[in-house]
Order: sequence, then C-alpha cells, then structure tokens
Amino acid sequence: GQQVMQIPQYQHVQEGEDFTTYCNSSTTLSNIQWYKQRPGGHPVFLIQLVKSGEVKKQKRLTFQFGEAKKNSSLHITATQTTDVGTYFCALLGGNFNKFYFGSGTKLNVKP
Amino acid sequence: NAGVTQTPKFRVLKTGQSMTLLCAQDMNHEYMYWYRQDPGMGLRLIHYSVGEGTTAKGEVPDGYNVSRLKKQNFLLGLESAAPSQTSVYFCAIRLAGDSKDTQYFGPGTRLTVL
Repeated sequence: GQQVMQIPQYQHVQEGEDFTTYCNSSTTLSNIQWYKQRPGGHPVFLIQLVKSGEVKKQKRLTFQFGEAKKNSSLHITATQTTDVGTYFCALLGGNFNKFYFGSGTKLNVKP
Repeated sequence: NAGVTQTPKFRVLKTGQSMTLLCAQDMNHEYMYWYRQDPGMGLRLIHYSVGEGTTAKGEVPDGYNVSRLKKQNFLLGLESAAPSQTSVYFCAIRLAGDSKDTQYFGPGTRLTVL
C-alpha cells in the first residue's frame, strides 16, 4: 500500500511558540487530508488539500500542499494549550476508496 | 461524531474468544471504514465497505471479518481473539462530493485481549 512519512514524531513547545509537522510521500498524491486527535479522543477532520501549491488557513493553522504534490505541512502559529493532541495526515489510495494515515505528530504545549 | 456510534466502548477478552463490534450511522452514507490504532502509530485500515452488501480488505485484514447487511450498520468480527489484536478500533463514515472528501469517526472501542 501507499505510505506517507510524517515528522517529527513528537514535539514539545512552550505556549506561544510555533509548531510545524510535515508529511512526505515518494509518489504524487491526488489529495491530502489533515486530522487532529485529542488525547483519549477520536480523529477529527481538519482540511483537505487538492491543488498543487495550495495554501489554506484556519485561524492560527496554515496548511500547505507542495508544488509537486508529494509533501504537505501543517503550521500552527503561537500555540495554545488547546492545540495539544496528535496531528495526522492521510492520503487517498490508488483505488480512491482506501485512506492511508501517517504515523502522526504528537504535540505537547507547556503553559 | 456526525451520527456515528460504536458499541461497545470497552471490552476485555481472553485469547480465543470471539466478539463483534458494531458501527452504526444515523444517515445514509455509502462508505464505512474500520481502523485500528496502536500506540505510536497512525490508523491502519482493516476493512471497508462502499455500500450495502459489499466489503473489501484494507491494509491489515487478517484475523477480522466484516459484514454490511444493512446500510446503517458495519460489523467487525473477531473469530478467535489474539493479544496482538489489543488496540483501539475506530469506525468512520466518508462523505465524498465534488469539492469535499471527509471522514467522520466514531468514538472508538478500546479492546484488550489477555
């Protein structure tokens, strides 16, 4: 199956610092999705990126899709304790029915 | 949870026992998915369904069976549970349209196999 590498695995930041997580694929992606999972919770859909070079913003979150559609990033500006959780990227497989998730980046924010 | 429920929330099994996990949606969505999540790992697809009466294998189907007899329900079965199946199981529905492709997850079932 398709694979997507996600880094870093963990990130500890002080409240107010920025945070970025990256997803990289060896193959060109049709789209990429981002999810957030709070501790003890379930994954919650954040956004989908489809176009080459696409940049989307949700308040303090900025999502980018690479020009070659092989990588993506999620950047959080001025983290808050409410940002704590694990952030996953996910890609849609070749048959357009299966989703493959990255291993996630666990974000801890110190107040 | 966009109307996705999972039963039960927690379960402890002994090796060799069987059980069925139920995922139910209160809408009419075609796509339903079963994932497992292990510590330090992302979600891995077990089986999925693209409509009533259809099922297909995902990344890690071995040791599991599924059925989608009714559109609203997607059942995941473990015929003979093994400790390696200790995990958190998530069900998801998929909303796919022209400009949107979203999965909504249920709250999860935490399964321990002793």
